[in-house]
Amino acid sequence: AQTVTQSQPEMSVQEAETVTLSCTYDTSESDYYLFWYKQPPSRQMILVIRQEAYKQQNATENRFSVNFQKAAKSFSLKISDSQLGDAAMYFCAYRIPNFGNEKLTFGTGTRLTIIP
Amino acid sequence: KAGVTQTPRYLIKTRGQQVTLSCSPISGHRSVSWYQQTPGQGLQFLFEYFSETQRNKGNFPGRFSGRQFSNSRSEMNVSTLELGDSALYLCASSRGAAGNTIYFGEGSWLTVV
Repeated sequence: AQTVTQSQPEMSVQEAETVTLSCTYDTSESDYYLFWYKQPPSRQMILVIRQEAYKQQNATENRFSVNFQKAAKSFSLKISDSQLGDAAMYFCAYRIPNFGNEKLTFGTGTRLTIIP
Repeated sequence: KAGVTQTPRYLIKTRGQQVTLSCSPISGHRSVSWYQQTPGQGLQFLFEYFSETQRNKGNFPGRFSGRQFSNSRSEMNVSTLELGDSALYLCASSRGAAGNTIYFGEGSWLTVV
């Protein structure tokens, strides 16, 4: 079974600084998708960034980027120039891109605090 | 474009009762999934519907059920509520093809007393 592990329950960062959230996963599949979702106090899960396993290039979305290490099964999220609005729970998630399989497997989350 | 809409947002039920939660997906999305979020178990997949058919099911007892209507709206039902069913129930939708992005609603908070 696929598992996703986030070893940092809580992280904090000074506003405008950079922070990296860690995620490791276990799978025997060769093709899969990885995601980072953000859950602010409103509790809505918001997609931050996605990475297709077959792509060697790391995904980037504005201030958010990932470091995808397929052999090590590692998928970390880097947030640059942290802003107060980045404060939230961050979940790493995994999915097999098969038709008929919409299931996301989530990690336990990392609570990110931004220090003004 | 409207996002995923869940109703009701908050509700309180008594042990033994049943509850029905509703989810309206993004227009054009045919897949609807449900997740349970609790402090102890985290985010767990309940089930997924596509074109009115259940395609996937998580490891939950039969008290948890769902359905999808022809307009892609979905409902989930929990019968014989237990205290442990208290949770945030999140609905998500996508177009349903491999690799499509999954979008979430704001969730329905269920408290069982």
